[in-house]
Amino acid sequence: DAKTTQPNSMESNEEEPVHLPCNHSTISGTDYIHWYRQLPSQGPEYVIHGLTSNVNNRMASLAIAEDRKSSTLILHRATLRDAAVYYCILRDVGSSNTGKLIFGQGTTLQVKP
Amino acid sequence: EPEVTQTPSHQVTQMGQEVILRCVPISNHLYFYWYRQILGQKVEFLVSFYNNEISEKSEIFDDQFSVERPDGSNFTLKIRSTKLEDSAMYFCASSGVARTDTQYFGPGTRLTVL
Repeated sequence: DAKTTQPNSMESNEEEPVHLPCNHSTISGTDYIHWYRQLPSQGPEYVIHGLTSNVNNRMASLAIAEDRKSSTLILHRATLRDAAVYYCILRDVGSSNTGKLIFGQGTTLQVKP
Repeated sequence: EPEVTQTPSHQVTQMGQEVILRCVPISNHLYFYWYRQILGQKVEFLVSFYNNEISEKSEIFDDQFSVERPDGSNFTLKIRSTKLEDSAMYFCASSGVARTDTQYFGPGTRLTVL
């Protein structure tokens, strides 16, 4: 499974945008970039995913570099509820993949009021 | 909105005892997973299950672990003889018609082995 690298922690002020980076220099052509987050004392929660183009949904935006070796999760206006560990995960859609998610340490986001 | 549920929320057991952790996945989902998270550590994959059989298991998932979908709605994880190091949060997840579909996680069961 391709590896991702994320900063251990980041801080943001409430109602300001947050850009969470992820490096995945060994990404393959069949890897989708997924983001999950884990709020305190909860199970992981899907945030967004993409392959090549930038993606938007109600939770966040995902900006993918042209060479796909990095991506950035964008929270447009951080709220206190967004304080969580954010995981950048590569998912291979090749036939050998059973669907498992491989979690790294993620980025712990602190949101200050 | 449909959700994955897990019971119990907290299970305390003595070392060597058997435990069964229960999960009710989202009703039309076909792929099922168990993960665990030891306190302060990352979420680790245990096993994936599809079409009534294990499709992949990790090194953690040894002979002491088993999974079952006994009645078409529940998905269980059994640990035959618990060890202290089995203490962790156990998360169940399910996904839809494709193995690469979004996984939806339950709230977890905290297992404490004394």
